[in-house]
Amino acid sequence: EVQLVESGGALVQPGGSLRLSCAASGFSLSTYWMSWVRQAPGKGLEWVANIKEDVTEKTYEGRFTISRDNAKNSVYLQMSNLRDEDTAIYYCATYQTTTASRHFDHWGQGTQVTVSS
Amino acid sequence: DIQMTQSPSSLSASVGDRVTITCRASQTMYTYLNWYQQRPGKAPKVLIYGASNLQAGVPSRFSGSGSGTDFTLTISNLQPEDFATYYCQQSYISPLTFGGGTKVEIK
Repeated sequence: EVQLVESGGALVQPGGSLRLSCAASGFSLSTYWMSWVRQAPGKGLEWVANIKEDVTEKTYEGRFTISRDNAKNSVYLQMSNLRDEDTAIYYCATYQTTTASRHFDHWGQGTQVTVSS
Repeated sequence: DIQMTQSPSSLSASVGDRVTITCRASQTMYTYLNWYQQRPGKAPKVLIYGASNLQAGVPSRFSGSGSGTDFTLTISNLQPEDFATYYCQQSYISPLTFGGGTKVEIK
């Protein structure tokens, strides 16, 4: 069974940094694109970043960095210079890709990041 | 960036109703369109991928259609567990973008 477990969410002051982790089980992370998607309180979903092997795609250039450790079967999101508007639940997800479709198919339960002074 | 516009933003319906949610993209994306369901306090769950493909384990009362810029999610015979928020999402080009969501409430 595929499982994704996020951790690392916390209350952090504006300008601070945080590293989120996502531990995967039930599959080999090295064969998948992995993603981070966030959801601000009462708002919709927002894609943050993708990674597969050494290829990354992301929305917030310069502030957020996605990385992975295949040996630990984990993916990470390093966030710096955090702002109030980064307050959200951060979800880790697998990003399934085929010749005709690409979609987020497995999701973790999310980890809460709160940016506030 | 591709903008995704969902309508309506909310709707009220009764158990057994047929519900239709639409999603319009700001540029063509062929069939790189997915639909997700999110219940309160839970992570999203994919229902439909590639515009019309039913994800394994999802009830057949859910269906998707469309291509290019206009897409539809239909829920036939609405069930109590279907009251949730639904999101469309384009996977044609980065940045990946979601629609604003449609909240389906009990009438």
